Amino acid sequence: QVQLVQSGAEVKKPGASVKVSCEASGYTFTNNYIHWVRQAPGQGLEWMGVINPSGGSPTYAQNFQGRVILTRDRSASTVYMELTSLRSEDTAVYFCARDPAGEYYFDYWGQGSLVTVSS
Amino acid sequence: DIQMTQFPSTLSASVGDRVIITCRASQSIGNWLAWYQQKPGKAPKLLIYKASNLESGVPSWFSGSGSGTEFTLTISSLQPDDFATYYCQQYKTYPWTFGQGTRVEIK
Repeated sequence: QVQLVQSGAEVKKPGASVKVSCEASGYTFTNNYIHWVRQAPGQGLEWMGVINPSGGSPTYAQNFQGRVILTRDRSASTVYMELTSLRSEDTAVYFCARDPAGEYYFDYWGQGSLVTVSS
Repeated sequence: DIQMTQFPSTLSASVGDRVIITCRASQSIGNWLAWYQQKPGKAPKLLIYKASNLESGVPSWFSGSGSGTEFTLTISSLQPDDFATYYCQQYKTYPWTFGQGTRVEIK
């Protein structure tokens, strides 16, 4: 069965960086794009970016340009999301999600990784 | 960016009720719309894609309709497990955007 398993919760200070992992299993890793979506406490969903595990450059939302970096490790079937220059407003749950057919909606989601930014 | 507006923001209903949630796009998105269900502390779950296609394994009392700028998610007979927050998402145009959510609570 398809599974996306994310790394655990992180606490970071303002200005620091965080790197969250998303390990895929149960399907051919290179067949499906992986997206990242975040959710601030009590708030809605915000799309951050997408990476093609097969290759090519990721695409980022304008709001995160220059601060988010998506990378892949095909040997580990894992995608990483690094967010730099953290501020308190980045406190959120970060989800990875699979794109079923390159259509930019999301059929399987990771369990979420809470990132808390606090001094 | 395409703005997605859902209404109502909160809906109080009873088991067995018919529930309709509306999602409006700020410009035409064809039928490139998905609906998700999210429960507290959990990841969203895909219910509907391409406006009216039921995702595999989703109960048949969920349905979606609409095209262009106006879409609805209908729960024909609300079940206890359906109390949750529902989000629409457009995937016609970058950046992919979500509605603000509709919370379905117990009346």
